[in-house]
Amino acid sequence: NAGVTQTPKFRVLKTGQSMTLLCAQDMNHEYMYWYRQDPGMGLRLIHYSVGEGTTAKGEVPDGYNVSRLKKQNFLLGLESAAPSQTSVYFCASRHYRGLSQPQHFGDGTRLSIL
Amino acid sequence: QQQVKQSPQSLIVQKGGISIINCAYENTAFDYFPWYQQFPGKGPALLIAIRPDVSEKKEGRFTISFNKSAKQFSLHIMDSQPGDSATYFCAAKSGGSYIPTFGRGTSLIVHP
Repeated sequence: NAGVTQTPKFRVLKTGQSMTLLCAQDMNHEYMYWYRQDPGMGLRLIHYSVGEGTTAKGEVPDGYNVSRLKKQNFLLGLESAAPSQTSVYFCASRHYRGLSQPQHFGDGTRLSIL
Repeated sequence: QQQVKQSPQSLIVQKGGISIINCAYENTAFDYFPWYQQFPGKGPALLIAIRPDVSEKKEGRFTISFNKSAKQFSLHIMDSQPGDSATYFCAAKSGGSYIPTFGRGTSLIVHP
């Protein structure tokens, strides 16, 4: 049982390049989330999804797009990377049943934009 | 607007000491308060959580204290160990929301 798996673990991009971060979960969770973590800023929500085929904007969505074509996968895209997008990106998932369900996080993708 | 304020930002404790991290919130609709622990190079993982119908929850050396009237909750780590060195995040969520609100995190260092 792998939980939440993020691919790739590290990546260096040049300004203007595009890339897609993949998040896969094997827990049959309905809700999935993308966060970025920057020093002193905590976890900031980029986009989230409450089910297959649905997506919604979070706190810092500009410059990012997402897709959830399959329940187990949640993709985060950077169309034209900017140095301000240098960060550690975390994917999380959560079961919808019950009020007290915690989020399960992957181990992150460390992205540097030069 | 930061809905969950976490303090301190960093904390240094000697081995065997007590580590205390505090969080305060504004939204009275919050009804689930988890704490996450994050080790370097890893994602956050649930450590312990509490609902507002109890004032304290203990799991081993980790205790959450909850003060509903003051809208505050705190994490106490008793007999702190070097292996507890990590970043700790408090969070809060209401039953009607898909999205938890996180504090900005506390970096804990426990010296041997």
